Amino acid sequence: AQSVTQLDSQVPVFEEAPVELRCNYSSSVSVYLFWYVQYPNQGLQLLLKYLSGSTLVKGINGFEAEFNKSQTSFHLRKPSVHISDTAEYFCAVSSLSGGYNKLIFGAGTRLAVHP
Amino acid sequence: KAGVTQTPRYLIKTRGQQVTLSCSPISGHRSVSWYQQTPGQGLQFLFEYFSETQRNKGNFPGRFSGRQFSNSRSEMNVSTLELGDSALYLCASSAGTGAAETQYFGPGTRLLVL
Repeated sequence: AQSVTQLDSQVPVFEEAPVELRCNYSSSVSVYLFWYVQYPNQGLQLLLKYLSGSTLVKGINGFEAEFNKSQTSFHLRKPSVHISDTAEYFCAVSSLSGGYNKLIFGAGTRLAVHP
Repeated sequence: KAGVTQTPRYLIKTRGQQVTLSCSPISGHRSVSWYQQTPGQGLQFLFEYFSETQRNKGNFPGRFSGRQFSNSRSEMNVSTLELGDSALYLCASSAGTGAAETQYFGPGTRLLVL
């Protein structure tokens, strides 16, 4: 079985500061990894995904994430955040054996960017 | 290209009733997945339909069911509603033919059970 742990439920940060949102996963098989963002009263939007290859993945809105197989982590980073980045962020995994469209989500991290 | 649409956006029902939610995927997409989002349990996978067949399912009771039509539109039904079914129900669509594809989510249907 797969599981995802997002280590911080809330992350406050000042505008233009860097941020890291942490995600660890557990799986006995190879996984695909995703970060989604959810703005209030909206659905989920894909920020980036790791399927294979380079462990550093670049996504939209200046976000990037690094896959670390030995530490089973997939942390999301942004060097300088904006007020508009305030949202909830979800890390998710799927696998070929479990169904690549069956996403297992973490509990979410609420990012609050303050002026 | 139009995004994923879900109807209705908001719904209020009472315990014991049943409800049907609809999802229209992006044109050309054949896979539709459904998720339930609640404050307590977070985002949980319900099921996935591909070309009118259920391809995968999560751990939900049989009161939760779904179907997909030949135009790829999907419906999910919840019978004998319980208070705990109050949630945001999200659907996501993709082409459904490979792991490299992106799933696109709709805005969700917010269901309140009284």
